Amino acid sequence: TQLLEQSPQFLSIQEGENLTVYCNSSSVFSSLQWYRQEPGEGPVLLVTVVTGGEVKKLKRLTFQFGDARKDSSLHITAAQPGDTGLYLCALRNAGGTSYGKLTFGQGTILTVHP
Amino acid sequence: DAGVIQSPRHEVTEMGQEVTLRCKPISGHDYLFWYRQTMMRGLELLIYFNNNVPIDDSGMPEDRFSAKMPNASFSTLKIQPSEPRDSAVYFCASSIGTGGGNTIYFGEGSWLTVV
Repeated sequence: TQLLEQSPQFLSIQEGENLTVYCNSSSVFSSLQWYRQEPGEGPVLLVTVVTGGEVKKLKRLTFQFGDARKDSSLHITAAQPGDTGLYLCALRNAGGTSYGKLTFGQGTILTVHP
Repeated sequence: DAGVIQSPRHEVTEMGQEVTLRCKPISGHDYLFWYRQTMMRGLELLIYFNNNVPIDDSGMPEDRFSAKMPNASFSTLKIQPSEPRDSAVYFCASSIGTGGGNTIYFGEGSWLTVV
């Protein structure tokens, strides 16, 4: 069962455009992480959002955690070719028998054309 | 500091052969994860360990897959016998603790092709 749904699956845009990627769950989660993966490498953590309504900025990237803590978004302003990659959201279990388990969404493949 | 180290980086093997993938986590990390990534299924958690003890192996596809962590600095993922559908990139990752803000560090992956 997929706990996290990401949309869109694919995104192809021109340099300079803005974009938003979404991550949704039917369950409330205590925290959510966003990762970026470049071809031939492992995912790298971008940010962790913890508080409902929280907004975090990382240069041209803005991450938002929904008020109900069931959804999150990643907005990129003025995309550049270097932003090309796979963007993944991930949920880490904070309790229960699978304490610490990290589960990923399917990801959004972003291509930014020069 | 060295990150998570995986070997081999690439392996091509024939169906039916045994495959062993190796991982050295970051020193001091108490959690170790094995993931498999394919285009069709994305990044799937196979198994993870805490202090060398397997916590959740519900993602291991079938009995052909096994994972061990004999000590805090080494883990293996073994496939025996291998099948073409096992072709994927296998990632090892490690972290300290389980807090939502704890960073999980991934290795560069082992690219497995079974022909």
